[in-house]
Amino acid sequence: KQEVTQIPAALSVPEGENLVLNCSFTDSAIYNLQWFRQDPGKGLTSLLLIQSSQREQTSGRLNASLDKSSGRSTLYIAASQPGDSATYLCAVNGGSNYKLTFGKGTLLTVNP
Amino acid sequence: DGGITQSPKYLFRKEGQNVTLSCEQNLNHDAMYWYRQDPGQGLRLIYYSQIVNDFQKGDIAEGYSVSREKKESFPLTVTSAQKNPTAFYLCASSMRTAQETQYFGPGTRLLVL
Repeated sequence: KQEVTQIPAALSVPEGENLVLNCSFTDSAIYNLQWFRQDPGKGLTSLLLIQSSQREQTSGRLNASLDKSSGRSTLYIAASQPGDSATYLCAVNGGSNYKLTFGKGTLLTVNP
Repeated sequence: DGGITQSPKYLFRKEGQNVTLSCEQNLNHDAMYWYRQDPGQGLRLIYYSQIVNDFQKGDIAEGYSVSREKKESFPLTVTSAQKNPTAFYLCASSMRTAQETQYFGPGTRLLVL
């Protein structure tokens, strides 16, 4: 059974800092991995999707990397801003047509 | 303006009552999903549908029911058999399968009176 872990559960940084969020998964036989952002009381917004054959994906100040063999992904946020404050979730697809396995998320607070 | 809408934003359920959460999408997606989110837990799949008139149970389907009569709509009914319904409910869709990007609605928070 796939398990997804995100550490730390919460992170607080000053504005302008570069930071890394971590996601680990127990079964390396994945099809892809997605990173989402969730603002308080809102739905999820997809940030990046990395296929199992890819090493990284970039969108603006965000860079997600994937190391399938070690069961890890990282989300790098450059020059953090208060508007980046949110919960970040990763989700793994193991080849299923219907199932994503989600981590519990990392709550990020960027202080002005 | 394409997207997923959920209504209502807040819903209150009385003991023994069935309530229905609405989910509509205009993205022309075949696949739709219902998730439950509880504090400190990851999202859990309740039901999913990959095509009109077909749907399958997810990991926590007990006490819930769905229908998929139209491509755009995937309503979720929380029945009286669901003993702990208080949660944040999220609807999502994707083009065809969960191997593609999922797009989420804004959520419905269900509270028990």
